[in-house]
Amino acid sequence: QSALTQPPSASGSPGQSVTISCTGTSSDVGGYNYVSWFQQHPGKAPRLIIYEVSKRPSGVPDRFSGSKSGNTASLTVSGLQAEDEADYYCNSYAGSNSVVFGGGTRLTVL
Amino acid sequence: QVQLVQSGAEVKKPGASVKVSCKPSGYTFTAYYTHWVRQAPGQGLEWMGWINPNSGGTKYAQKFQGRVTMTRDTSIRTAYMELSRLRSDDTAVYYCARDEGWEGAFDIWGQGTMVTVSS
Repeated sequence: QSALTQPPSASGSPGQSVTISCTGTSSDVGGYNYVSWFQQHPGKAPRLIIYEVSKRPSGVPDRFSGSKSGNTASLTVSGLQAEDEADYYCNSYAGSNSVVFGGGTRLTVL
Repeated sequence: QVQLVQSGAEVKKPGASVKVSCKPSGYTFTAYYTHWVRQAPGQGLEWMGWINPNSGGTKYAQKFQGRVTMTRDTSIRTAYMELSRLRSDDTAVYYCARDEGWEGAFDIWGQGTMVTVSS
């Protein structure tokens, strides 16, 4: 299966909102409500911030939200803070008990 | 504290094999799938497959079929990922991660194991 498509970079100023897209196909993103998003700071393991398209694990600020339309999922970070600067990855269930990741998006807080 | 602890860094020659371990604590080992994800230097995350510690059942990404073997030892509550016929482009950090099933919601990650393949 092919990787999901994410923009390589995104940016925003503190306090602003930024949205990162994750585009797949009807065989993955569009076919199931199993899209997750991860935040990764340099040298650290990824951290789950959104699962099942729009659910937040305990401890994740509500500034992070997820949605999906057709074959494209989106992560919105509202009220940007300096600590939000990181790499963000989406993944999706891709059928046949398999998972596929996106290529990642580097978020810069200006 | 719920965590996954992985084995230490490895340096291997091309053609060799590497076996990375992943030991959970703070939860019932057999109640969650263990997935393996790798990340080459400066690159993105790549899903490799999973093992169901309860049944021993596995699923591998097509790219790694025939080269990867995921096992577990329930007596010592440890999962393993072995990658054979190593190439230089297998140089990466290898992570284990926990999921309730195979949907990709990896809520707990190991600290990562750096595997370097170099002659």
